[in-house]
Amino acid sequence: NAGVTQTPKFQVLKTGQSMTLQCAQDMNHNSMYWYRQDPGMGLRLIYYSASEGTTDKGEVPNGYNVSRLNKREFSLRLESAAPSQTSVYFCASGQTGGYGYTFGSGTRLTVV
Amino acid sequence: DAKTTQPTSMDCAEGRAANLPCNHSTISGNEYVYWYRQIHSQGPQYIIHGLKNNETNEMASLIITEDRKSSTLILPHATLRDTAVYYCIVRTTSGTYKYIFGTGTRLKVLA
Repeated sequence: NAGVTQTPKFQVLKTGQSMTLQCAQDMNHNSMYWYRQDPGMGLRLIYYSASEGTTDKGEVPNGYNVSRLNKREFSLRLESAAPSQTSVYFCASGQTGGYGYTFGSGTRLTVV
Repeated sequence: DAKTTQPTSMDCAEGRAANLPCNHSTISGNEYVYWYRQIHSQGPQYIIHGLKNNETNEMASLIITEDRKSSTLILPHATLRDTAVYYCIVRTTSGTYKYIFGTGTRLKVLA
């Protein structure tokens, strides 16, 4: 049982490049989330998907787009990367009814 | 969702109970209290949650005051592996289910 799998684990981009962070969960969870965590800071919500086919903005959505491809997969796209997007990105999934989320191990992104 | 206030850091001796406080004075009646921890730079790990009754599981106990304006996470016998940042979050279990994280409490367990 893998839980939440994020790829890649590490990535270095040049300013202006684009990339997609992948996230997949195998727990049949309805909701999925993308967070970023800057050094010494807490997690900030970028986008979330309460159920398959829906997505909504979180606290810091600017510069990102998301796709809920199916119930298992939720991807995060940076269209034109900026140094301010250097961060650790965490994907999470959760089930309705108030249970806790399961987080992935993160993608460490550096934009130079 | 209601905001929470936690101390920035705490120390605890190995083998002793670690008591981590959280203030959530603006919590509303349908909001639960959740606790997560983040060890080093790993993804956060769910610990426990509760509404108004005290809760216990294999990891920790959660004590919520009667007025629900504050709570305490208790790690009964802290080990070095419990060194982490602990986040207290309040949110409803209906609607969008999204969490808003604060900066948490950095717990250091000392040998």
